Amino acid sequence: AQRVTQPEKLLSVFKGAPVELKCNYSYSGSPELFWYVQYSRQRLQLLLRHISRESIKGFTADLNKGETSFHLKKPFAQEEDSAMYYCARITGANNLFFGTGTRLTVIP
Amino acid sequence: SQTIHQWPATLVQPVGSPLSLECTVEGTSNPNLYWYRQAAGRGLQLLFYSVGIGQISSEVPQNLSASRPQDRQFILSSKKLLLSDSGFYLCAWRRGQIGELFFGEGSRLTVL
Repeated sequence: AQRVTQPEKLLSVFKGAPVELKCNYSYSGSPELFWYVQYSRQRLQLLLRHISRESIKGFTADLNKGETSFHLKKPFAQEEDSAMYYCARITGANNLFFGTGTRLTVIP
Repeated sequence: SQTIHQWPATLVQPVGSPLSLECTVEGTSNPNLYWYRQAAGRGLQLLFYSVGIGQISSEVPQNLSASRPQDRQFILSSKKLLLSDSGFYLCAWRRGQIGELFFGEGSRLTVL
């Protein structure tokens, strides 16, 4: 089955520290991977997708086929980054399968 | 611009009662529509998706059903709720089978 795994349910970092939210996927050729974010009292929304190779709000995520990972990184965490983060991939049916999510808390 | 709305936002229902959650999309036509459930420790689970009126696909066997009576309307239902149906239900849409998913505000269901 085409799945993604987010091993950390909770992650706390201090403001200004680097942050890395882990995501691993089950191997299946060339996966399409995404990161979605849900800020407090806001809707779940797309943060970035790997095919865009973009940096959004200082976050980047590189697809590592050797490690089958798509970790989300930011060099200097900000308080407003506190949110729930979901890694997701496109399945064979062209649906989005989400991981279990990681709640990031940035400590002031 | 496109918008998506869900209601009710919160619902408390007794075990064995029926359920109807509604979702509507505006500003687009023939969207792909989705129902997800967000449960603690289980992330976002895809329940149903629809690529057109009357076309429903179920991802997991369960006590719930979905219907799409109109192009931009997606309904999640149950005839008899179970305690395990409690959770946060999210409706989403996207254009075609690729691209970004846009989510509604969510509906929190508590079954007592």
